[in-house]
Amino acid sequence: DQQVKQNSPSLSVQEGRISILNCDYTNSMFDYFLWYKKYPAEGPTFLISISSIKDKNEDGRFTVFLNKSAKHLSLHIVPSQPGDSAVYFCAASGSTDKLIFGTGTRLQVFP
Amino acid sequence: NAGVTQTPKFRILKIGQSMTLQCTQDMNHNYMYWYRQDPGMGLKLIYYSVGAGITDKGEVPNGYNVSRSTTEDFPLRLELAAPSQTSVYFCASSYGGRLTDTQYFGPGTRLTVL
Repeated sequence: DQQVKQNSPSLSVQEGRISILNCDYTNSMFDYFLWYKKYPAEGPTFLISISSIKDKNEDGRFTVFLNKSAKHLSLHIVPSQPGDSAVYFCAASGSTDKLIFGTGTRLQVFP
Repeated sequence: NAGVTQTPKFRILKIGQSMTLQCTQDMNHNYMYWYRQDPGMGLKLIYYSVGAGITDKGEVPNGYNVSRSTTEDFPLRLELAAPSQTSVYFCASSYGGRLTDTQYFGPGTRLTVL
């Protein structure tokens, strides 16, 4: 039972354009959502988060949007850069300190 | 700060062998976590600890044991290794719980059980 789903295993975007990574969840008790970025042979690193009391959070080129009624969140990267090429994981948590991760989306930004 | 360090980086085990994956953090974090990542899958929580002497099970604890005798160290023990435990293991730490701090991850240990 995959409670956090990233249905696109990969995404390819041209440098300078917008990258949109999507994430869906099934558990309505989730109230905190995060995005992590992972390069090969490294551990994930925290990118951005959003609480369920908000519908948008922005940090530089990265913006996360949350649509609670659709149980959907998305990560927008504008403009995309070659250094953004990595695997992006969506994660969610409810009333405990445990994170539930999605399966990841591999983003490739080409020149 | 070295952050979260894990040893070894790679290991091959035979079925039935045992080993301990080491994890150390130098950030004085209270919370520590062990995850595994199987190919094409997300990270799944094995065990976590909210402080020295306190541990609790995550989603996939079977076949593993942990201890937390100090704030800095959180070793993961595999007894009677099985091919299903072939995975990449990540240790993570955070100062507080989910809403107060993010998790910082180590570089991972790639384990193969043959």
